[in-house]
Amino acid sequence: AQKVTQAQTEISVVEKEDVTLDCVYETRDTTYYLFWYKQPPSGELVFLIRRNSFDEQNEISGRYSWNFQKSTSSFNFTITASQVVDSAVYFCALSEYSGNTGKLIFGQGTTLQVKP
Amino acid sequence: EAGVVQSPRYKIIEKKQPVAFWCNPISGHNTLYWYRQNLGQGPELLIRYENEEAVDDSQLPKDRFSAERLKGVDSTLKIQPAELGDSAVYLCASSLAGTGMIRETQYFGPGTRLLVL
Repeated sequence: AQKVTQAQTEISVVEKEDVTLDCVYETRDTTYYLFWYKQPPSGELVFLIRRNSFDEQNEISGRYSWNFQKSTSSFNFTITASQVVDSAVYFCALSEYSGNTGKLIFGQGTTLQVKP
Repeated sequence: EAGVVQSPRYKIIEKKQPVAFWCNPISGHNTLYWYRQNLGQGPELLIRYENEEAVDDSQLPKDRFSAERLKGVDSTLKIQPAELGDSAVYLCASSLAGTGMIRETQYFGPGTRLLVL
């Protein structure tokens, strides 16, 4: 069965600190996508990144970086030099190719609070 | 480009009353999803449409929930009658992918926050 676990419920950091959000997933498929979404207080889920199961290259986008490791079934997200505007709930999600459902399986979310 | 539009943003009703939520997806997106997000949880899929066809409604509680997407664009999700446990945020999302393709990225609307008293 597919499952996404975000063990960190809440994280609090001071501005300019680096922070890593953990994501561990379970799937029997060999082909799948992983996503990170940000949900600010306004409620809208904002897409951040997608990776497919065949591309283990790490990715960096500005202050954001992602570390995908199939060997440990993890897809961790790091924010460098955090800012107050990064405060939000962050969700990791999994989409399996088989069954062609397009269904996203979300983790419980990690609430990040960045204090000035 | 306009994002996914949802209305209303907030709704407060008494139990046993009906309620409806509306969603307008991103232009050109033929796949539409309705999710429910309970407090402190990640969203869970209720139903997925490919154009006007509901292709996955296995998670929709059909005794009280219904949905439609008559012309393959806008969609309405209805609850009748509402129960206390239906209090949640109802999110609509859309994507470009069609049947047989790997799912493209889903773009979400702001959601409708429902409170049932």
